[in-house]
Amino acid sequence: DAKTTQPPSMDCAEGRAANLPCNHSTISGNEYVYWYRQIHSQGPQYIIHGLKNNETNEMASLIITEDRKSSTLILPHATLRDTAVYYCIVRAISGTYKYIFGTGTRLKVLA
Amino acid sequence: SQTIHQWPATLVQPVGSPLSLECTVEGTSNPNLYWYRQAAGRGLQLLFYSVGIGQISSEVPQNLSASRPQDRQFILSSKKLLLSDSGFYLCAWSVRRGTAEKLFFGSGTQLSVL
Repeated sequence: DAKTTQPPSMDCAEGRAANLPCNHSTISGNEYVYWYRQIHSQGPQYIIHGLKNNETNEMASLIITEDRKSSTLILPHATLRDTAVYYCIVRAISGTYKYIFGTGTRLKVLA
Repeated sequence: SQTIHQWPATLVQPVGSPLSLECTVEGTSNPNLYWYRQAAGRGLQLLFYSVGIGQISSEVPQNLSASRPQDRQFILSSKKLLLSDSGFYLCAWSVRRGTAEKLFFGSGTQLSVL
């Protein structure tokens, strides 16, 4: 079973920041938080991952709470092309090979 | 650079017919390989994963099997398809790189069993 909880859907206005929450209250000390997104009828695409520090790349920012029980993916200026299902995953870097996806958040960016 | 090839993109099969989906990875060696299935409107379900040639781990008992005859080749099979086997099948790969490890997906196969 997935170890994360996400809202099933969210809307965001184009040009505004999209903040997607994820709850992972049972996360272990060696587990990373990964984010992927899936545009309709395509394979999921890697966005970002982190352990405990906030991370930023060209696609998004990842904010992880100090207790690591939740995180937020931030798309700073959402565009219509960001409309997709966003998946939050927790996974240990060593000792396991599995990536277990939950049901994700369906983000709709509105014009 | 690494690439993953998955085919066919679309497949329509009658109930009871066999299935063979193939996935190959280029540009890397000894990858971890995965098969996922996504039913319509649902999340991704891990079916099988492999950490080496001939090494297959099954996550969900079902009508499917997987094989890894070569380092960068992963095959999903069924002897007799069921209606419930319909879905979007995705192959994925990763390479163990510690904190930099990521999972990369193919473009998927949409399977309709009629």
